[in-house]
Amino acid sequence: QKEVEQNSGPLSVPEGAIASLNCTYSDRGSQSFFWYRQYSGKSPELIMSIYSNGDKEDGRFTAQLNKASQYVSLLIRDSQPSDSATYLCAVDTAYGGKLIFGQGTELSVKP
Amino acid sequence: GAVVSQHPSRVICKSGTSVKIECRSLDFQATTMFWYRQFPKQSLMLMATSNEGSKATYEQGVEKDKFLINHASLTLSTLTVTSAHPEDSSFYICSARRTGASGGTQYFGPGTRLLVL
Repeated sequence: QKEVEQNSGPLSVPEGAIASLNCTYSDRGSQSFFWYRQYSGKSPELIMSIYSNGDKEDGRFTAQLNKASQYVSLLIRDSQPSDSATYLCAVDTAYGGKLIFGQGTELSVKP
Repeated sequence: GAVVSQHPSRVICKSGTSVKIECRSLDFQATTMFWYRQFPKQSLMLMATSNEGSKATYEQGVEKDKFLINHASLTLSTLTVTSAHPEDSSFYICSARRTGASGGTQYFGPGTRLLVL
């Protein structure tokens, strides 16, 4: 059974701090990795995609991938209360584009 | 970006009726779309993979005769909940897969909240 694991949280950080969200996956054949943000009552929104080992930065967001350790993370710098949401890690499979989602990490940024 | 729409956003129906939900990719063609269901405070649950021009692939435990999926064009997939019952009340979300040089990326629609009375 291919799995994606995340800490469910909640993760609470003060405004302006760095939030670090972690994800591990079991399928060594996975090639594409995604972070989605889901606000309460809304659908998921793509934040970042990463395909190669290393870091990928987009504004306040940095995704980090380590395929040898089967680990992907998302760093949010200068966290804002508007970043409070559930963050979903998703990993591709060999089955027609299906993604395996983690259970999500709830992030709370306190003013 | 990539825009995916869903219609309706919210529907209330009586038990025993059928409800059709549309999912459209507005600025790209999607040979593959996905249908998810999400109950409050729970994770996304994949129901089925919808492929343009062919039959949908359903996940284990999802009744194909109850959740009818049609993907007749590269920009439209529909999910019909037949003979809906209160236990079908949920948040239904579609996604469309946009392919590119690095593979494919799923973009989600805004979701449809179904309440069956």
